[in-house]
Amino acid sequence: DAGVIQSPRHEVTEMGQEVTLRCKPISGHNSLFWYRQTMMRGLELLIYFNNNVPIDDSGMPEDRFSAKMPNASFSTLKIQPSEPRDSAVYFCASSPQDRGGGYTFGSGTRLTVV
Amino acid sequence: GNSVTQMEGPVTLSEEAFLTINCTYTATGYPSLFWYVQYPGEGLQLLLKATKADDKGSNKGFEATYRKETTSFHLEKGSVQVSDSAVYFCAPYYNTDKLIFGTGTRLQVFP
Repeated sequence: DAGVIQSPRHEVTEMGQEVTLRCKPISGHNSLFWYRQTMMRGLELLIYFNNNVPIDDSGMPEDRFSAKMPNASFSTLKIQPSEPRDSAVYFCASSPQDRGGGYTFGSGTRLTVV
Repeated sequence: GNSVTQMEGPVTLSEEAFLTINCTYTATGYPSLFWYVQYPGEGLQLLLKATKADDKGSNKGFEATYRKETTSFHLEKGSVQVSDSAVYFCAPYYNTDKLIFGTGTRLQVFP
């Protein structure tokens, strides 16, 4: 298996632009998680899905952030409009539903908003 | 709510030194306990885990024992290598469908 695949690896955009981050989980994994990592706040859980349904989005910072999982093999995290404070590394992780904490992380997308 | 506390870094060691990174968790129920490692420029990887009291998780020379009486899961390695330089995250899992990650502890090993 190729693991959790995220794209793009790096994204540089101007303030106010829309940004879409993509994630392909491991086939057969029922749970998908989006995290944001910064030096100031560490690793933050933004949202997670079970069987394509959003379960907890309490970590989404504000309405500018949205996430979708239209099917079991694809998820997106969208920021519109983007702001410089959104600059961070965004990670996607997936897990079988009965794995009880054993997540597989992607390599992340480094987002820079200028 | 449930939480986890890790020792602050960076931890700086010479090669072949003994490593301990402390981790304590909130004693609500009986969580499974995990250590994840993040190498530079990469995502987190599962390092080891323990699912019940007195269990010892081990991998790549690292060990951690689930201590219910002290609500701790300290990470240890007898002889670190330069290649162990990374950020280490302690994470309990409380059967709530999501891990609770600590703040991470950066380890720097010098030759």
